[in-house]
Amino acid sequence: DIVMTQSPESLAVSLGERATFKCKSSQSVFHNNNKKNYLGWYQQKPGQPPKLLIYWASTRGSGVPDRFSGSGSGTDFTLTISSLQAEDVAIYYCQQYYSTPVTFGGGTKVEIK
Amino acid sequence: EVQLLESGGALVHPGGSLRLSCAASGFTFSNYAMNWVRQTPEEGLECVSAISPTGDITYYADSVKGRFTISRDNSRNILYLQMNSLRADDTGVYYCAKPPGMGTAGWFDPWGQGTLVTVS
Repeated sequence: DIVMTQSPESLAVSLGERATFKCKSSQSVFHNNNKKNYLGWYQQKPGQPPKLLIYWASTRGSGVPDRFSGSGSGTDFTLTISSLQAEDVAIYYCQQYYSTPVTFGGGTKVEIK
Repeated sequence: EVQLLESGGALVHPGGSLRLSCAASGFTFSNYAMNWVRQTPEEGLECVSAISPTGDITYYADSVKGRFTISRDNSRNILYLQMNSLRADDTGVYYCAKPPGMGTAGWFDPWGQGTLVTVS
């Protein structure tokens, strides 16, 4: 199975500041056939299910604000919130869907400083 | 609007059984693979089972293989997870989740609201 490792475990950022967190896969999730990275990002708020933010490593899901952006390729990926809002307090997870079973990282908890 | 609504979670003793259901609406259920993903304090998010659109291909995590059975009723738009020989480490919130197409792997959007299974 592909192991997904996220860092840091938690992050405190001031309102309006940039938040950046990392996700590393134990093997490449880049598919040469279609030149896509099989990597997604989710946001989970307390008491709610995960919500899709990003797929194909950098494509925003429907209705996702443009302050959320994903980047990276191969084994190293980044999710950036360009200007943290109060409603962005949540845990963020990465997921690879390059191979079965799909696997998730352990999450990064984002709080307000 | 695509909606997934799980039910069936409960408190059960070790060795007991439960059947979870996920009612789907807002999309052509029979065209999509479906997944069960659980969230536990110990393991975090884990895809425990998946099923192809017609039900002929299934996947089980090693942790549940031989104990859980996934199935679907495409005439009623319902996904099931039969859980037998339950153990304490099966405790968690169980979500049904929809991948983008016919394959069982993919990003998940949306997820249901989840149903809590407690084995104690």
